[in-house]
Amino acid sequence: AQSVTQLGSHVSVSEGALVLLRCNYSSSVPPYLFWYVQYPNQGLQLLLKYTSAATLVKGINGFEAEFKKSETSFHLTKPSAHMSDAAEYFCAVSSNTGNQFYFGTGTSLTVIP
Amino acid sequence: GAGVSQSPSNKVTEKGKDVELRCDPISGHTALYWYRQSLGQGLEFLIYFQGNSAPDKSGLPSDRFSAERTGGSVSTLTIQRTQQEDSAVYLCASSLGGQGAVNYGYTFGSGTRLTVV
Repeated sequence: AQSVTQLGSHVSVSEGALVLLRCNYSSSVPPYLFWYVQYPNQGLQLLLKYTSAATLVKGINGFEAEFKKSETSFHLTKPSAHMSDAAEYFCAVSSNTGNQFYFGTGTSLTVIP
Repeated sequence: GAGVSQSPSNKVTEKGKDVELRCDPISGHTALYWYRQSLGQGLEFLIYFQGNSAPDKSGLPSDRFSAERTGGSVSTLTIQRTQQEDSAVYLCASSLGGQGAVNYGYTFGSGTRLTVV
C-alpha cells in the first residue's frame, strides 16, 4: 500500500523566509514521489519529481526536495519565500506502473509581506 | 489541445438531478484520470483509463458514479441522483501511459466545481 502524509495543513512564512513543507511517504516498493502546486481556481501543476535518480531534486520556481529513505521523507523547501508562492501544495507517491498517484491532503502556504 | 480542458468550470445542480462532467485530454495522452477534491481532504482517486484496457474503477464511491472514455480521447464522468456530499471539485488529468506518467507526471485540467443544492 502507498500513501503520503503531509504534516501541517496550513503554513505561514514571512516573505524572504525559508519555506519548508513536510511530506512523509509509505510505500512497499521503491517510490516515485512528486510535489504539485495548485493556485486558486486552477488545476495542479507539477513542481518536481523524484524517480530514483539524484536524491536532491530541483524543480520550478526555486523549489527543491530531498528524498531521504531512512526517514521516508520528501520535504519541499525554498530558501526565500515570494508572495507568488502562496498556494496549495500536494505531495504524491506512485508506483512505477504510474497507474495511480496517491495524494496527500495538501498544505496551504501563506506568505506574509 | 495544448492542455487538459474540462467543462463546465462550474455547475450548480439540484439534489437528485444527474450531471455530466467532460474532460478533453491532451492529444496523444493515452492515460486519463478523474479525481475528486473535497475541502480539506486532498485528492480522492475515482477512475483511471489507459488506452483500450478496462478502466480501473476502484475509486468510484458508489454506483451513482460512472465514467466513459470514447475513442480513447474525451471522457465523461456522470453522477446520477446527485447528493449534497457530491459537492466538490472534480479534476481530470491525463498523461503518457504507464512509465510516462512517472517520468512526466500528470497534466491536470482546471476542474469542474460541482455544487449540489
